Amino acid sequence: GQQVMQIPQYQHVQEGEDFTTYCNSSTTLSNIQWYKQRPGGHPVFLIQLVKSGEVKKQKRLTFQFGEAKKNSSLHITATQTTDVGTYFCAGLNSGYALNFGKGTSLLVTP
Amino acid sequence: DAGVTQSPTHLIKTRGQQVTLRCSPKSGHDTVSWYQQALGQGPQFIFQYYEEEERQRGNFPDRFSGHQFPNYSSELNVNALLLGDSALYLCASSYVGGRNTEAFFGQGTRLTVV
Repeated sequence: GQQVMQIPQYQHVQEGEDFTTYCNSSTTLSNIQWYKQRPGGHPVFLIQLVKSGEVKKQKRLTFQFGEAKKNSSLHITATQTTDVGTYFCAGLNSGYALNFGKGTSLLVTP
Repeated sequence: DAGVTQSPTHLIKTRGQQVTLRCSPKSGHDTVSWYQQALGQGPQFIFQYYEEEERQRGNFPDRFSGHQFPNYSSELNVNALLLGDSALYLCASSYVGGRNTEAFFGQGTRLTVV
């Protein structure tokens, strides 16, 4: 079945540094979604990418979908303490199930 | 506008018992999916309900079953609980069948099996 891998598993940065997490799928995806989960919280939708090579920005966050629709990345510019949490990618193939990666936990030190 | 609500928030059960978790979707949503999230892991898809039918099922045993009611709310039932069933159970709702639309997650039910 489809597997979604995310790296790194953990990232510890100083406030103001950049952060990137990468997501790779074993199969071609219909779309990919990104979620953020704060400690003790629930996943919150950030964005959905559908088109090959798509790039979307949300303020300091930049999301990319690979040309082959098998990989994606999330880049945060100039991290802030409010960015702390676990970032998950979730791929959708031909069915209805979102296949989540294990997530990248981001810790930001002031 | 209420978001996705789940009950109870926490639950402690004994191995072998049965449990029922409940979910009310966000207003206007017709699709409910259930996920199991073990500590330090990503959510794992259990199944999805649409039009009161189980439309897709993940790799979970038959001990996990569910139901969707005409008002779109849903229940997740787990029989013969195992210690390994301890996890955060998340309900997610979406609109128009659940493809290519964002999923709104509830706060989850923390189930502990002892």
